[in-house]
Amino acid sequence: GNSVTQMEGPVTLSEEAFLTINCTYTATGYPSLFWYVQYPGEGLQLLLKATKADDKGSNKGFEATYRKETTSFHLEKGSVQVSDSAVYFCALSPNSGNTPLVFGKGTRLSVIA
Amino acid sequence: GAVVSQHPSRVICKSGTSVKIECRSLDFQATTMFWYRQFPKQSLMLMATSNEGSKATYEQGVEKDKFLINHASLTLSTLTVTSAHPEDSSFYICSATPEPEAFFGQGTRLTVV
Repeated sequence: GNSVTQMEGPVTLSEEAFLTINCTYTATGYPSLFWYVQYPGEGLQLLLKATKADDKGSNKGFEATYRKETTSFHLEKGSVQVSDSAVYFCALSPNSGNTPLVFGKGTRLSVIA
Repeated sequence: GAVVSQHPSRVICKSGTSVKIECRSLDFQATTMFWYRQFPKQSLMLMATSNEGSKATYEQGVEKDKFLINHASLTLSTLTVTSAHPEDSSFYICSATPEPEAFFGQGTRLTVV
């Protein structure tokens, strides 16, 4: 079956530090991969996506590369800000019609000034 | 991207009463929507798949008589929590997948007192 495993938090960083949140997946076929961000009390927002191997998704300084050989989609940002404090979810779509995404458990990031 | 609107964002109700949560797709038609429940500091738990014009599909362990889902049009799905009890207090989120990625409503914080 399909599954997503991401590093457990919480992660606490100082402002301007480098961020990596690891995500690996198991899937049949060729899934699309996503990172979602959830700010306190809100729903999930799409942060970035990649739909095929070697694609790099990027947005707001965050990046993740779809690595088929290592079945990974690690999230990185070179210099985090306090406003990046949120919960980050890695997810995959099996790309088989109207099916729900498969989510990792989420990683809580706190950035301190 | 596509917009999913969820209402209300917060609701407080008395134990034993019912609460209806609406999820609308604003700029696309959604034959399928998904309802999730999120406990504090945890990931999303898929509750059910809402299908336009037919019965919802519930995940194992979700009481279909307690969580009534209606998907009467291509832009609206509703979740009714019937005879709510304090243990039903949670954050409920809907989503739709008009594209490979999912778009989420803002979430509804339900508190049963």
